[in-house]
Amino acid sequence: ETGVTQSPTHLIKTRGQQVTLRCSSQSGHNTVSWYQQALGQGPQFIFQYYREEENGRGNFPPRFSGLQFPNYSSELNVNALELDDSALYLCASSQEGTDYEQYFGPGTRLTVT
Amino acid sequence: AQSVTQLGSHVSVSEGALVLLRCNYSSSVPPYLFWYVQYPNQGLQLLLKYTTGATLVKGINGFEAEFKKSETSFHLTKPSAHMSDAAEYFCAVMGGGYNKLIFGAGTRLAVHP
Repeated sequence: ETGVTQSPTHLIKTRGQQVTLRCSSQSGHNTVSWYQQALGQGPQFIFQYYREEENGRGNFPPRFSGLQFPNYSSELNVNALELDDSALYLCASSQEGTDYEQYFGPGTRLTVT
Repeated sequence: AQSVTQLGSHVSVSEGALVLLRCNYSSSVPPYLFWYVQYPNQGLQLLLKYTTGATLVKGINGFEAEFKKSETSFHLTKPSAHMSDAAEYFCAVMGGGYNKLIFGAGTRLAVHP
């Protein structure tokens, strides 16, 4: 069974640029959630995708957007990067009927300069 | 709205001593509660969860937690700390009408020889 994978591991961007982060969900999981974890804080929910549709969104502006593909992998896109977007971005996958267990990937560390 | 408060951002114990990490939650509905552990530069690993049924929940690595509705608490314990337990621990409640996790700010556990 393959776990949740994310790419890239690290990246550095300049303020105003755009970035795409990728996530492959665990085998058999049809739901992907994205979280932002700023340094020294707990993860904050960005949004969730279920069967290729956005299924819920946290308190993040529209410049944070996402996609889920037929194989349930997902992308997080952030436009017009700001310094405060520097964080660890975590992807979690889950499957309905499994007591809501979410399995997290290792994260992508984004630094905005 | 659901929320989580973790008391103590840093906890330090000696190897072999009891570990107690505190978590209080707020929820207008019966909560689903989780504890995750995060090792440096890694994603989150599920330690244990409470959904329904038995209020004392056993997890991996010798950890357990007890759901106390009257105290709105879900404290994490381990009888004897190991050096390998040093990590950041997050308590989370599931809520918001879909399966998003709401995390506490985390507690960093240090274990001394």
